[in-house]
Amino acid sequence: NAGVTQTPKFQVLKTGQSMTLQCAQDMNHNSMYWYRQDPGMGLRLIYYSASEGTTDKGEVPNGYNVSRLNKREFSLRLESAAPSQTSVYFCASSELSGFAEAFFGQGTRLTVV
Amino acid sequence: DAKTTQPPSMDCAEGRAANLPCNHSTISGNEYVYWYRQIHSQGPQYIIHGLKNNETNEMASLIITEDRKSSTLILPHATLRDTAVYYCIAGYNTDKLIFGTGTRLQVFP
Repeated sequence: NAGVTQTPKFQVLKTGQSMTLQCAQDMNHNSMYWYRQDPGMGLRLIYYSASEGTTDKGEVPNGYNVSRLNKREFSLRLESAAPSQTSVYFCASSELSGFAEAFFGQGTRLTVV
Repeated sequence: DAKTTQPPSMDCAEGRAANLPCNHSTISGNEYVYWYRQIHSQGPQYIIHGLKNNETNEMASLIITEDRKSSTLILPHATLRDTAVYYCIAGYNTDKLIFGTGTRLQVFP
């Protein structure tokens, strides 16, 4: 099983450019999440989707949009990238409730210049 | 979600038990305690979770105090591959896990 797959693994953007980070899971999980991790810091939740068709803001949603395309896929879009969005982005998935194990992808390393 | 406090770093000799403490004094009655770890810059990996009772799995043991204000993650026989950042999280299920800065565990030969 692939688990949680993120694409791309690396990306360099110029300020003002837009891009979409893709995430797909093959575990039939209901919940999916997007986190960012800045150097030397813990993970901060950007957005999450408790189930297909629903999305909610996390701790740091400004500058991002998300789409829960179907049960498998949850994308994160940067409409106008800023240097402050330089970070490592992690996607994760888990069962909806009563089950604690979240599975994380390997991350997308984004640099905005 | 309850805030957790962990020491920023710890060392442990290979083969010895690593005991990682976590304070979560504001935890509410139905919030779980989760532990994850992050090796190098990989995605975090789930280790264990618990509510009130102590828990054990193939990776680790979780000891939660009776008042639930603190807990300890125990890696019984630490190896070099256990060198990682360990995150203690208190919250409801998995809908909104809040990661702090964790404890950087260094296992040395």
